[in-house]
Amino acid sequence: DAKTTQPPSMDCAEGRAANLPCNHSTISGNEYVYWYRQIHSQGPQYIIHGLKNNETNEMASLIITEDRKSSTLILPHATLRDTAVYYCIVRVSTNAGKSTFGDGTTLTVKP
Amino acid sequence: SQTIHQWPATLVQPVGSPLSLECTVEGTSNPNLYWYRQAAGRGLQLLFYSVGIGQISSEVPQNLSASRPQDRQFILSSKKLLLSDSGFYLCAWRYKGTDTQYFGPGTRLTVL
Repeated sequence: DAKTTQPPSMDCAEGRAANLPCNHSTISGNEYVYWYRQIHSQGPQYIIHGLKNNETNEMASLIITEDRKSSTLILPHATLRDTAVYYCIVRVSTNAGKSTFGDGTTLTVKP
Repeated sequence: SQTIHQWPATLVQPVGSPLSLECTVEGTSNPNLYWYRQAAGRGLQLLFYSVGIGQISSEVPQNLSASRPQDRQFILSSKKLLLSDSGFYLCAWRYKGTDTQYFGPGTRLTVL
């Protein structure tokens, strides 16, 4: 699975958009980009995933660059409850479904 | 709907003692199951995964073992705990043919 690089921490003002970047320059053509988040002392929670098209759901939007070497997770209107560690994962869709979670980005939403 | 349970929520054990952590999934059948460990302030390390009853794959050699005695039950064990086994242990499941993993609430293990 391709390695990802994320900033260790970011701050965002409540009500503003939070844009979390992820670099995955060694991604291969059949690898998906996944985002999870982990609120303190809880299990990670799935947010969104995509292959090459931009995706949007009720939680967030995922923007993947045309060359697929980087992506951005967008939380359109961040709330205090969005404070969490956000993990960007890149992997092939396989039967085993193993995922490697790096250290992620700690997003702190401030009032 | 599907739910995943882990117990206990917290555990304090002395070095050298045995360990048994249990994970069960409800509302689905024949899921893939996973055990992860998370050190404080770090990402998740995949320890074991299982694609079926009795089928266990180990990702990292260590003094831990896993078993899947029933379709929706996944157990993490150790005969003798080490200080380095302390951490947050997470169980997860996934539908076969999909890619999203669903995580349990975790067990925080402290080995003293």
